[in-house]
Amino acid sequence: AQKVTQAQTEISVVEKEDVTLDCVYETRDTTYYLFWYKQPPSGELVFLIRRNSFDEQNEISGRYSWNFQKSTSSFNFTITASQVVDSAVYFCAYQTGANNLFFGTGTRLTVIP
Amino acid sequence: DAGVTQSPTHLIKTRGQQVTLRCSPKSGHDTVSWYQQALGQGPQFIFQYYEEEERQRGNFPDRFSGHQFPNYSSELNVNALLLGDSALYLCASSFRAMSSGANVLTFGAGSRLTVL
Repeated sequence: AQKVTQAQTEISVVEKEDVTLDCVYETRDTTYYLFWYKQPPSGELVFLIRRNSFDEQNEISGRYSWNFQKSTSSFNFTITASQVVDSAVYFCAYQTGANNLFFGTGTRLTVIP
Repeated sequence: DAGVTQSPTHLIKTRGQQVTLRCSPKSGHDTVSWYQQALGQGPQFIFQYYEEEERQRGNFPDRFSGHQFPNYSSELNVNALLLGDSALYLCASSFRAMSSGANVLTFGAGSRLTVL
């Protein structure tokens, strides 16, 4: 069965520091998709990125970057120069073609001004 | 363009009661999925509706049921409520669930259910 592990339950950083959120997954599928979602206090999950299993290119979007390594089954997320608005719970998720997402338990990030 | 809207936002029920939660998908989306998020946990998949039929189901008992209407909106019903059903219930919509590849889900803000 698929499994997503986010070992960091809570992280606190001071504003402008860089922070990396870890995600490790287990699967026997050859085709799959990995996601990161942000959940602010309002509750709704906000989509950040999707990666398929055949695309290991790292991606950068502004202050956000993602490192996908199949060799270590990891899909880590880095926020550069963190801001208070980045405070939220971040979820890593796994999806097969069946379209139901398997979520990790989330990492609560607090950015201290 | 409205995203996914859910109602009610908060509700309180007692054990044994029944509850109905409602979801309107994002404009242009035809598939609705429901997730349960207990406090401090990640969302867990309940079921998915497409073309007014339940297409996939997670590991939830039959007390959890749903419906999708011709306008793609959906309801989640939970019967015989237990204390453990207290959670944030999230609705997510997407387009063409049966297509290949992974569709990005758009989530609503959820309905927070408290069972006393």
